[in-house]
Amino acid sequence: GDSVTQTEGLVTLTEGLPVMLNCTYQSTYSPFLFWYVQHLNEAPKLLLKSFTDNKRPEHQGFHATLHKSSSSFHLQKSSAQLSDSALYYCALSDRPGYQNFYFGKGTSLTVIP
Amino acid sequence: GGIITQTPKFLIGQEGQKLTLKCQQNFNHDTMYWYRQDSGKGLRLIYYSITENDLQKGDLSEGYDASREKKSSFSLTVTSAQKNEMAVFLCASSIPGTKNTGQLYFGEGSKLTVL
Repeated sequence: GDSVTQTEGLVTLTEGLPVMLNCTYQSTYSPFLFWYVQHLNEAPKLLLKSFTDNKRPEHQGFHATLHKSSSSFHLQKSSAQLSDSALYYCALSDRPGYQNFYFGKGTSLTVIP
Repeated sequence: GGIITQTPKFLIGQEGQKLTLKCQQNFNHDTMYWYRQDSGKGLRLIYYSITENDLQKGDLSEGYDASREKKSSFSLTVTSAQKNEMAVFLCASSIPGTKNTGQLYFGEGSKLTVL
């Protein structure tokens, strides 16, 4: 079955250092990949989603590249900011009709001064 | 833009009690979901519904019932609350995508505590 594996647990970074959160997946279809971000006491919201035409999605300084050969969609940012502290979920959707989403277990990122 | 409203935001119940969470969306989305969020376990799907009066079980449906009586609302019932249970329940909705896949829009969650 479909599944998503991401950097688990807690990641603590110093402000200004690069961010790299790993996400790999298994799917019997050709899925779409997403990164969702949830700040404290807020709803999860979409940060990035993969494109079908090999473009690299970017938002708020974050980017991710879908590599089908390695089944990965790692989240990256060149320089962490304090406001990036949040819970990050990698997710995949395998059906274009009604959406069947699979989420990873989440990575809690804390950026310190 | 639209919004997803979950009620109540906090729910405290007793062991064995039947408890109901409600979700309303004004996006006019077809598909709605209930996820359970536990620390370290990610988001796990309880039920989803692709249209009014449709119900589909997710991986975590045991112990829950759901109801989609109209397009804009989706309710989740904990049939028998378990003592010491604590979790956040997230409602979401989406448009089925075609060329570009849809995305999920989430509510802010309902936090359940069972005494």
